[in-house]
Amino acid sequence: DTAVSQTPKYLVTQMGNDKSIKCEQNLGHDTMYWYKQDSKKFLKIMFSYNNKELIINETVPNRFSPKSPDKAHLNLHINSLELGDSAVYFCASSQDHRVGYNEQFFGPGTRLTVL
Amino acid sequence: GDSVTQMEGPVTLSEEAFLTINCTYTATGYPSLFWYVQYPGEGLQLLLKATKADDKGSNKGFEATYRKETTSFHLEKGSVQVSDSAVYFCALSTNSGYSTLTFGKGTMLLVSP
Repeated sequence: DTAVSQTPKYLVTQMGNDKSIKCEQNLGHDTMYWYKQDSKKFLKIMFSYNNKELIINETVPNRFSPKSPDKAHLNLHINSLELGDSAVYFCASSQDHRVGYNEQFFGPGTRLTVL
Repeated sequence: GDSVTQMEGPVTLSEEAFLTINCTYTATGYPSLFWYVQYPGEGLQLLLKATKADDKGSNKGFEATYRKETTSFHLEKGSVQVSDSAVYFCALSTNSGYSTLTFGKGTMLLVSP
């Protein structure tokens, strides 16, 4: 059973399009995250949700809008895609955000290529 | 703010060689420290962790000790295998407020037979 899953695994699209990436976790965790990994492998937190509520929002363009319909899902919608959005996007989850419970489990990643 | 500094890669070793990947951190308070591994084409997997000073994390022959005095968490393995080839990320998690992971830039390890 896959603990944290993401779809699609690969996404190729044109500049200006709108796209979504979905994430689901079956671990019963309360907290979910989105990270962006650039071409140099650098990983940076974008958003974090705890029990469907946004708790962390780093300086991400407002073209990126996360949505959490329930605590097992955290989707990422991106409007007006730009070349610089090309990256690998990782979803992660943790039991919750508190000390001792915040070990994070990662999904396999979604490679987004904007042409 | 919090930050993690790792040695630049790639690190190229022969099988059975000794591995050290340096990691130092800057953080307020007493963070938890982690090593994650990313195999080609895959997501990150937790390799080991330590939550307080002098703790040693270990897994699959890898070890790292939380050194508060030198703010370091160096990763070591006595004898690497070809299958250890991957990118290794050092990370910290602050223990206050809403904690997230702050990652280093990753170190690629290439092990040849």
